Amino acid sequence: QVQLVQSGAEVKKPGASVKVSCKVSGYTLTELSMHWVRQAPGKGLEWMGGFDPEDGETIYAQKFQGRVTMTEDTSTDTAYMELSSLRSEDTAVYYCATLGRYPNNWFDPWGQGTLVTVSS
Amino acid sequence: SSELTQDPAVSVALGQTVRITCQGDSLRSYYASWYQQKPGQAPVLVIYGKNNRPSGIPDRFSGSSSGNTASLTITGAQAEDEADYYCNSRDSSGNHLCVVFGGGTKLTVL
Repeated sequence: QVQLVQSGAEVKKPGASVKVSCKVSGYTLTELSMHWVRQAPGKGLEWMGGFDPEDGETIYAQKFQGRVTMTEDTSTDTAYMELSSLRSEDTAVYYCATLGRYPNNWFDPWGQGTLVTVSS
Repeated sequence: SSELTQDPAVSVALGQTVRITCQGDSLRSYYASWYQQKPGQAPVLVIYGKNNRPSGIPDRFSGSSSGNTASLTITGAQAEDEADYYCNSRDSSGNHLCVVFGGGTKLTVL
């Protein structure tokens, strides 16, 4: 059974970068399609991007292209999401979640979430 | 990119049946998946594929689809079902690796 454990809450100043980690247990990261979803306070879920191990391709939502980088350390089964040039609107809970193989489209399981607060 | 539309809020009397809908062009090509989210918690998958429930999800939750509309039905809603519900699917208008979420529906159990 796959379990995802994320790093702790972060407070960042506008213009800074944040890097959130997601540790996988119960499976190897290379066999998973790891994605990132965020949720601003009181708002809905927003897909940011993810990795497809079959294509070897990382794809980002257009909104975040140029500001987000998703990487993986297969030696430690840890995925990372780095978001740069932070602004107050990036204050949100960031989740990692594994996506089923195409054409399946469900996310399961999810990490517990990491709150990122952007404030001067 | 594709969009999925959900009603912002729905209410149901305790023990009654409620249907939560999700509309979008991508649903003509892909099934919707459904998630339940309670305050302060991560989303939990409740329905996936044609109409499948993960282990531990009560059988009062079911899913269906017709044309560009997917539905999540709760038959005999319980107080603990009060939560936000989100649908998602693949993006059919561009790269199939892209994913889209609906805006969410807040379910109130009266």
